[in-house]
Amino acid sequence: AQSVTQLGSHVSVSEGALVLLRCNYSSSVPPYLFWYVQYPNQGLQLLLKYTTGATLVKGINGFEAEFKKSETSFHLTKPSAHMSDAAEYFCAVSDLGNQGGKLIFGQGTELSVKP
Amino acid sequence: KAGVTQTPRYLIKTRGQQVTLSCSPISGHRSVSWYQQTPGQGLQFLFEYFSETQRNKGNFPGRFSGRQFSNSRSEMNVSTLELGDSALYLCASKGLAASSYNEQFFGPGTRLTVL
Repeated sequence: AQSVTQLGSHVSVSEGALVLLRCNYSSSVPPYLFWYVQYPNQGLQLLLKYTTGATLVKGINGFEAEFKKSETSFHLTKPSAHMSDAAEYFCAVSDLGNQGGKLIFGQGTELSVKP
Repeated sequence: KAGVTQTPRYLIKTRGQQVTLSCSPISGHRSVSWYQQTPGQGLQFLFEYFSETQRNKGNFPGRFSGRQFSNSRSEMNVSTLELGDSALYLCASKGLAASSYNEQFFGPGTRLTVL
């Protein structure tokens, strides 16, 4: 069964510093992976996705993630944090069974950005 | 193109009551999924509907039910509310083009508080 582990429930960085949010997955089939962001009192917004092809995926707001099969990882990075990046981030893997599909989410990482 | 909409945004109910939440997917999307988000359990899949048929179900009691209409709008119902049902309920829609890898677009959620 697919699963997702996000290392660190809370990450704090200074404005302008590198953002690194860690995600490891477990999947018996080639995975489809996603990062979502959630701002307070809002739904989930898709940041980026990995389906097939290039393992370095670029998303919105300057974020990118690299799919590493050998490490079963899909870490999210951003070279320079902005105050507006403060939010909760969720890594998810697709579970495609029974013609439909669900997303299996990690527990989330709350990102704080200090001025 | 309008995003996923959910109504109402906030709801307060008392134990034992029942509640109905509504979701309108992105135009053209025929798949609608529901997720429950709580601080303790995180994001958990409830069920998925496609063309008015439930084709995936999560591990929730029978008090949680849903349906989908011919225009793809979906409702979920929770009967005999318990305190533990307090959560953010998120609806997500998926188009045919993205169905092979399960890319889902989320609404803003309905915040349910059970007193």
